[in-house]
Amino acid sequence: AQSVTQLGSHVSVSEGALVLLRCNYSSSVPPYLFWYVQYPNQGLQLLLKYTSAATLVKGINGFEAEFKKSETSFHLTKPSAHMSDAAEYFCAVTRNAGNMLTFGGGTRLMVKP
Amino acid sequence: DAGVIQSPRHEVTEMGQEVTLRCKPISGHDYLFWYRQTMMRGLELLIYFNNNVPIDDSGMPEDRFSAKMPNASFSTLKIQPSEPRDSAVYFCASSQTSYNYNEQFFGPGTRLTVL
Repeated sequence: AQSVTQLGSHVSVSEGALVLLRCNYSSSVPPYLFWYVQYPNQGLQLLLKYTSAATLVKGINGFEAEFKKSETSFHLTKPSAHMSDAAEYFCAVTRNAGNMLTFGGGTRLMVKP
Repeated sequence: DAGVIQSPRHEVTEMGQEVTLRCKPISGHDYLFWYRQTMMRGLELLIYFNNNVPIDDSGMPEDRFSAKMPNASFSTLKIQPSEPRDSAVYFCASSQTSYNYNEQFFGPGTRLTVL
């Protein structure tokens, strides 16, 4: 069965610092992986997705993630944090059937001025 | 495209009352999902439909919860009777069987408060 683990339910960085949000997955089949972002009082929106075309995936708002099969990881990074990046971030992996996704527990990113 | 539409955006009701949440998926999408989000339990899948047919309702917490999808453009999630522990944000999402690798599109959510 597919599962996702996000290390760190809360991450705090200073404005301008590197953002690193961790995601590890387990999957019995080659996975498709997603990062979603949820701003306060809004729904989830797609940041980026890995679909096996390239291991380094670039998304919106300067975020990117690298698929590392050997480490079963799909960590999300951004070189320089902005105040507007403060949100909750969810990693998700495709399930085998039914167009379903398995979501991680989420990581709340706080950006300090 | 207008995206996934949910109504109402906020609902405040009293314990014991019936609550109905509504969702309009993106046109052409053949999967529809209902999720519940709470601080304690995070994001939980309640039920999902494929071509208007319920496929997996194992996430529905109790018989007080029911969901329907009478046509491709409308779904409801009903709670009867409601209880304070049902207070949460309820999201609807839709996706399309095709090339998009199960990408789901979420609505803005309905924040339910049961007093």
